[in-house]
Amino acid sequence: RKEVEQDPGPFNVPEGATVAFNCTYSNSASQSFFWYRQDCRKEPKLLMSVYSSGNEDGRFTAQLNRASQYISLLIRDSKLSDSATYLCVVNSFRGSSNTGKLIFGQGTTLQVKP
Amino acid sequence: GAVVSQHPSWVICKSGTSVKIECRSLDFQATTMFWYRQFPKQSLMLMATSNEGSKATYEQGVEKDKFLINHASLTLSTLTVTSAHPEDSSFYICSARREFSYEQYFGPGTRLTVT
Repeated sequence: RKEVEQDPGPFNVPEGATVAFNCTYSNSASQSFFWYRQDCRKEPKLLMSVYSSGNEDGRFTAQLNRASQYISLLIRDSKLSDSATYLCVVNSFRGSSNTGKLIFGQGTTLQVKP
Repeated sequence: GAVVSQHPSWVICKSGTSVKIECRSLDFQATTMFWYRQFPKQSLMLMATSNEGSKATYEQGVEKDKFLINHASLTLSTLTVTSAHPEDSSFYICSARREFSYEQYFGPGTRLTVT
């Protein structure tokens, strides 16, 4: 089982749609969670950290469910410029120690169409 | 801000030659830098963790003698791909981590093509 799993998609949605991405992680000791965005042939860029209480940044909302080991990202009112690959990222633990490394999911591709 | 640069952005080299890639944190000190590799349509795979002033820690399956990492200062880490082969062609990305944070900031990547 992969440590971080995502549905690779692609998700094809019209402009203005609301789309949700899900991610599961296997290590219950994980403490830090992130969503990164990666455009084609570019480096990943931090979109938002994910906090236990859930957090929102404009059209983007991230949720964390520790009991289910599940992270989500909701994008409202999709724009053409939202087309990218969204990477679910979790910090890595060895035993009970945080290694400081990040583990990346394979990414979910979003294509927003006019 | 947290800006990380990489140089070169792309490089084409012949089989058997060595290539050095630089990663710099421009506006913060990074005690830890990471080197990743990404093949087409795959996610980032961590190759090694680079700590300033000490030897790098390599992930399982990554040859330390082939991928030489040097982290000489708090703002610079280098990755040298030695005796490159076509299968080493990939997108190499570094990241830098601020002290007391788990967020990583990525360089723009280096696209290596070995012919």
